[in-house]
Amino acid sequence: GEDVEQSLFLSVREGDSSVINCTYTDSSSTYLYWYKQEPGAGLQLLTYIFSNMDMKQDQRLTVLLNKKDKHLSLRIADTQTGDSAIYFCAESPDQTGANNLFFGTGTRLTVIP
Amino acid sequence: DAGVTQSPTHLIKTRGQQVTLRCSPKSGHDTVSWYQQALGQGPQFIFQYYEEEERQRGNFPDRFSGHQFPNYSSELNVNALLLGDSALYLCASSMGFNSPLHFGNGTRLTVT
Repeated sequence: GEDVEQSLFLSVREGDSSVINCTYTDSSSTYLYWYKQEPGAGLQLLTYIFSNMDMKQDQRLTVLLNKKDKHLSLRIADTQTGDSAIYFCAESPDQTGANNLFFGTGTRLTVIP
Repeated sequence: DAGVTQSPTHLIKTRGQQVTLRCSPKSGHDTVSWYQQALGQGPQFIFQYYEEEERQRGNFPDRFSGHQFPNYSSELNVNALLLGDSALYLCASSMGFNSPLHFGNGTRLTVT
């Protein structure tokens, strides 16, 4: 079955880069997503990458995909205190359709001023 | 442009009762999915509705049922509530099956 793993915690200093890592098991995944969740709120779509891409950059966000190792990472440049939140990696297995997402347990990012 | 809206924001129910949660999708979206997020966990897929029919279902018992209306809005119903049903229930919408999900802020359900 599908399994998405993330480290639970990450602390960085304001202005530094943050790298959040994720591993997944389903090699047929077509889409891989990063969502952000702030306290008491729903999930905000940050970015997503198709499985045939290696990298995607969107302003301060860079997503790297190593399909061979089933490893996905999210790099946040110039991390700000407003980036403090829980970040979820999610995969969309091809056989179940693009909308049935399997989420990791989330990485809590703390930005130290 | 309104995003995904859910109501109510918070709800307290007693074990054994029934509950109905509501969701209006983002403008232009026709597909609605429901997720359950237990405390400290990632969301888990409950089911998905498209064209007023349940299209996919996760590993949840029949106590969880839903409905989609002609205007694409949706309801999630949970019968015979258990303490373990306490969670944040998230609604997500998309334009068909091949576009990213956009989530609402969720309904926090507490079962006592």
